[in-house]
Amino acid sequence: QVQLVESGGGVVQPGGSLRLSCAASGFSFSNYGMHWVRQAPGRGLEWVAFIRSDRTNKYYADSVKGRFTVSGDNSKNTLYLQMNSLSVEDTAVYRCAKDEGWSFHYWGQGALVSVSS
Amino acid sequence: QTVVTQEPSFSVSPGGTVTLTCGLSSGSVSTTHYPSWHQQTPGQAPRTLIYTTNTRSSGVPDRFSGSILGNKAALTITGAQADDESDYYCVLYMGRAIWVFGGGTKLTVL
Repeated sequence: QVQLVESGGGVVQPGGSLRLSCAASGFSFSNYGMHWVRQAPGRGLEWVAFIRSDRTNKYYADSVKGRFTVSGDNSKNTLYLQMNSLSVEDTAVYRCAKDEGWSFHYWGQGALVSVSS
Repeated sequence: QTVVTQEPSFSVSPGGTVTLTCGLSSGSVSTTHYPSWHQQTPGQAPRTLIYTTNTRSSGVPDRFSGSILGNKAALTITGAQADDESDYYCVLYMGRAIWVFGGGTKLTVL
């Protein structure tokens, strides 16, 4: 069965950096685009980034463009999110999700990122 | 900036039928927005119910169905059960590899 497991969350100071990972299993990772989605405490879901299956073409929400970088390693079945210049507004649970025909299908449990001084 | 709209809250009686909708602040939702619906209970990850408008995810009961109704995407729950009480989110593909989530609907079963 499809499994997505995030790791790398933690507490970071404003202006700091963090890298999240998402380990995928149960499907042919190299054939699917992948998303990052975040959810601030008590808030709704916000799309953050998408990477196509070839791991070359990448797209971002305006709120993170220029600060976050999505990447993927098809040989390791792993998705990444490098987050730089973090601010308190970036505090959220970050989840990876599998794309299915420009739609979302399967989610990870998430990694909590807390930006605080 | 286009906003994806959902009812903030909805209530249904046990055994009843409810239709949640997902619209656009400007324009109509169609299958080319590839709408998907996701159920989330507090503290848990979202669970995909429906993707690409009307495809039910594996293991999802057939009392959950997706469709386009008029100018909106719709999630219909027939025979509502107590454990359907959750937050429901839709998400739409806006083109040019951009996706936008709705604000979510809090469904109460009572």
